Amino acid sequence: DAGVIQSPRHEVTEMGQEVTLRCKPISGHNSLFWYRQTMMRGLELLIYFNNNVPIDDSGMPEDRFSAKMPNASFSTLKIQPSEPRDSAVYFCASTRWGSGETQYFGPGTRLLVL
Amino acid sequence: AQTVTQSQPEMSVQEAETVTLSCTYDTSENNYYLFWYKQPPSRQMILVIRQEAYKQQNATENRFSVNFQKAAKSFSLKISDSQLGDTAMYFCAFINNNDMRFGAGTRLTVKP
Repeated sequence: DAGVIQSPRHEVTEMGQEVTLRCKPISGHNSLFWYRQTMMRGLELLIYFNNNVPIDDSGMPEDRFSAKMPNASFSTLKIQPSEPRDSAVYFCASTRWGSGETQYFGPGTRLLVL
Repeated sequence: AQTVTQSQPEMSVQEAETVTLSCTYDTSENNYYLFWYKQPPSRQMILVIRQEAYKQQNATENRFSVNFQKAAKSFSLKISDSQLGDTAMYFCAFINNNDMRFGAGTRLTVKP
């Protein structure tokens, strides 16, 4: 199995630009999670989907953040407009609901907003 | 609210020795899962070990084992025969109904 795939692996952008992070979950997994990791706040759950439906987005910091999952094999996390405080590593993780809850993480996207 | 606490920000151990990382959690739920994840400098989050709350037997995975004390809400990780490749951040995590919470992490350094 290819594991969770994220792209890009690194992104450097300027304040005010739109950023789109992409995730392909493990085939057969029906739950997908987006996390953000910073030194100050550690690992934070931003949003998760079950069967492509957003279930809990209470962790999304503000309206500049949005996430979609148009099908079972693809999800995006968009930041528009980006700000320097959005600089972090963003992880996507997936699991098969009811299989023991183990979440498998992608390699992460390191985002730097200048 | 469910919380996970790792009280040891940093630890070190000599190669080939044993080290124990602490984790406590707070929940009112009875059915849940606990995990230890390892994050090496590459930043990849790697599952180390998993424990189902309804199982009394402590999980083991090669050199890694846990001491799960449900009543005390404690979930410590023991690494035996430490290797240089074990150097990483270790995160304790709790999940119930897709509500995943992570501890702040313990930075472990294995010294040669």
